[in-house]
Amino acid sequence: EDKVVQSPLSLVVHEGDTVTLNCSYEVTNFRSLLWYKQEKKAPTFLFMLTSSGIEKKSGRLSSILDKKELFSILNITATQTGDSAIYLCAVEALRTGNQFYFGTGTSLTVIP
Amino acid sequence: DSGVTQTPKHLITATGQRVTLRCSPRSGDLSVYWYQQSLDQGLQFLIQYYNGEERAKGNILERFSAQQFPDLHSELNLSSLELGDSALYFCASSVLPGQGLHEQYFGPGTRLTVT
Repeated sequence: EDKVVQSPLSLVVHEGDTVTLNCSYEVTNFRSLLWYKQEKKAPTFLFMLTSSGIEKKSGRLSSILDKKELFSILNITATQTGDSAIYLCAVEALRTGNQFYFGTGTSLTVIP
Repeated sequence: DSGVTQTPKHLITATGQRVTLRCSPRSGDLSVYWYQQSLDQGLQFLIQYYNGEERAKGNILERFSAQQFPDLHSELNLSSLELGDSALYFCASSVLPGQGLHEQYFGPGTRLTVT
């Protein structure tokens, strides 16, 4: 059965802390892994990863994929209250049409 | 604002009833996707349409059906509603059917509450 598992489920940190969010997957015909940020509305795209070992970076956020061990991490450094959100990991598989599998998300709360 | 519109924003209905959720894709987008997001199961892909034809199916229940009309808007019909159908339903659109998840534009969602 295809699945995407995120951990931790929930995280509360102080501003300035660094956090690491984890995503492991078991999906056949893997095409890509994506990270989204969701703040009470539609998910907002952050990163797409297709190759192992290549870090994607955007400001204080970075992500890397390990296709051998089937996991990805999302790092957020110097967290701010605006980073508070649910972070979703999704895996795209290529079958008859594209299939998309999402994790249940990690809820991050950053307190001042 | 992604350019994808969904109506209604909120919907409250009783068990056993039937509802229709509507989605208008971004101008020029031919492909529409439906997702369900519930607290216990996260975001789940339901179904994809391209230019009026069903293209891919995910975890869509038999009680649910969808269609895409000639003007490219799409409707998701949910029937014999159960408490567990309470969720946020997202529509997304993309230009072409084979484009990746990152090229899908999500609408604001319809929150369905079944009482």
